[in-house]
Amino acid sequence: QSALTQPASVSGSPGQSITISCTGTSSDVGGYNLVSWYQQHPGKAPKLMIYDVNNRPSGVSNRFSGSKSGNTASLTISGLQAEDEADYYCSSYRRSSTLVVFGGGTKLTVL
Amino acid sequence: EVQLVESGGGLVQPGGSLRLSCAASGFILNGYEMNWVRQAPGKGLEWVSYISTSGSTVYYADSVKARFTISRDNARDSLYLQMNSLRAEDTAVYYCARFPGESNMDVWGKGTTVIVSS
Repeated sequence: QSALTQPASVSGSPGQSITISCTGTSSDVGGYNLVSWYQQHPGKAPKLMIYDVNNRPSGVSNRFSGSKSGNTASLTISGLQAEDEADYYCSSYRRSSTLVVFGGGTKLTVL
Repeated sequence: EVQLVESGGGLVQPGGSLRLSCAASGFILNGYEMNWVRQAPGKGLEWVSYISTSGSTVYYADSVKARFTISRDNARDSLYLQMNSLRAEDTAVYYCARFPGESNMDVWGKGTTVIVSS
């Protein structure tokens, strides 16, 4: 069982917005503003999309945004495009010998 | 161009060993903490190990503790993962990733595939 809980799949039509949740505990997501989101296309390496809950690296579209409430973080993608179809993973810092925890991943389908 | 390139993967029998390498270019490795992350076929990402800039602090996932050893050679801009007592469940693509903060991995290699099978 993954340390962080994500829905297995979400879908949306082009132009719509979707939100992916990531639920942890007060020892990880809820305890620190250190949540990241990664996009992974089939056969490719993960790509950092959001860090520190709601910051975008240079070059990442502003259609991607992050937020957090309590023990749940969220990734919102607005104006869905076909190229957004991918797997998305959240991760969080955890203050323990397990330094980093990932969610199980969410498959985004653009209808 | 900032880049990480993994190597050393392959087919190994259960109980065997492999040493993965990760070569950094386009940036100075000794300025960054680093991680290894793996992904079993059809599965999600799993954090494997962390190493501080100097190599003095390391962490491991429970699933690999006492079997895997992370190390680095900053003079060679290289990161390593020594994997011993390999099991079928270690079969995965192994990625090295730059870790500029406590939260995120901003540069990833393309990965190297490890298959543990008899």
